[in-house]
Amino acid sequence: DTGVSQNPRHKITKRGQNVTFRCDPISEHNRLYWYRQTLGQGPEFLTYFQNEAQLEKSRLLSDRFSAERPKGSFSTLEIQRTEQGDSAMYLCASSATGGTGYTFGSGTRLTVV
Amino acid sequence: SQQGEEDPQALSIQEGENATMNCSYKTSINNLQWYRQNSGRGLVHLILIRSNEREKHSGRLRVTLDTSKKSSSLLITASRAADTASYFCATDAWGGGSWGKLQFGAGTQVVVTP
Repeated sequence: DTGVSQNPRHKITKRGQNVTFRCDPISEHNRLYWYRQTLGQGPEFLTYFQNEAQLEKSRLLSDRFSAERPKGSFSTLEIQRTEQGDSAMYLCASSATGGTGYTFGSGTRLTVV
Repeated sequence: SQQGEEDPQALSIQEGENATMNCSYKTSINNLQWYRQNSGRGLVHLILIRSNEREKHSGRLRVTLDTSKKSSSLLITASRAADTASYFCATDAWGGGSWGKLQFGAGTQVVVTP
């Protein structure tokens, strides 16, 4: 297992387009988290899953954002009708259970032009 | 909103010196964790300290936790140029019916010059 994998690494899209990011967690980890990070700030929580169940969504996650984790394995984060304010690094992390350290992926950097 | 706040925002030291950064938080926690992030990369987990622990060591890292003051500190001893990175504290707060959701501070940028 090579850790948490995120694809793509970079995405440039025009405003109004839809984008989808993928995260493959460490296979033994049943928890999967999505965060967003802008320059000079710490990661902001978006949502997390335990197996296939989405346990919590941040109020930051507008209706344009949706995340799924079918079968409790990989996860996708979709942003519809992208806006310039969506430009950020989107980070995925996984952990074995609650209360343990996270393993982060390298992130997907989104630029909306 | 971010629960943890690091202090200072930036720190510049020379190789061999110690680096200390602090983190304050607002609500009850299960544990507090420190992460390192090199520019443009993902975060790397450094150390986790539970709410019933006061001090923890890992190699050149020493973390303290004072739950009465809702604060933690990270000490890096004998710093090296490779320690140049941003350091974040993260608190494990109750959410979604369980522990395990981390909230991060804005980070401390550490620059270690040879």
